[in-house]
Amino acid sequence: QSVLTQPPSASGTPGQRVTISCSGTSSNIGRNNVHWYQHVPGTAPKLLIYRINQRPSGVPDRFSGSKSGTSASLAISGLRSEDEADYYCVAWDDSLSGKVFGSGTKVTVL
Amino acid sequence: EVQLVESGGGLVKPGGSLRLSCAASGFTFSSYSMNWVRQAPGKGLEWVSSITTSGGYTYSAESVKGRFTISRDNAKTSLYLQMNSLRAEDTAVYYCVRESTSLADSFDIWGQGTMVTVSS
Repeated sequence: QSVLTQPPSASGTPGQRVTISCSGTSSNIGRNNVHWYQHVPGTAPKLLIYRINQRPSGVPDRFSGSKSGTSASLAISGLRSEDEADYYCVAWDDSLSGKVFGSGTKVTVL
Repeated sequence: EVQLVESGGGLVKPGGSLRLSCAASGFTFSSYSMNWVRQAPGKGLEWVSSITTSGGYTYSAESVKGRFTISRDNAKTSLYLQMNSLRAEDTAVYYCVRESTSLADSFDIWGQGTMVTVSS
């Protein structure tokens, strides 16, 4: 069972906006940075958002992140077919002294 | 080109041992903390272990503490994961991952992964 909770699935039609939540506690999201990763099965995961809302070079601005209290969110606007993937949030957990991943959300483009 | 290449995966019996290796190239390996992350079949990603630049500090998930040991050889630009007392639930693809301080300690470079299967 993952320390960070995400909805198992999300979906939308091309062009729509999809939001994925990541719920944690005061020992992880509440006091530490949150990062987001995109994972297409069979390939290496890719860093999408770091430090809550920063995009690495090459990541389109359709992807955005936010955080409020002990929860974080990833938003994908202008949904495209190539966005079909699994998405994971990650944070450092002070109580566990380690990184914790979210349970993952599978995004489907209808 | 920045690259991480894992090796050492395979089939091992429960209770057995395996050592994974990760060859790094294209960057100053000794300047980065490194990690292992795994994904069991049909499951999500799970952080396994991390090691600081000099190897002075290591951290591991509760699920592998006392069984897995992460280490590195900066002269050989290589990362290792010694896995002992393997269990069926350790079956997974194991990824070697670079941690970037300039990107708030996020995982910015991933290898392609190596499969470990624990089965009798």
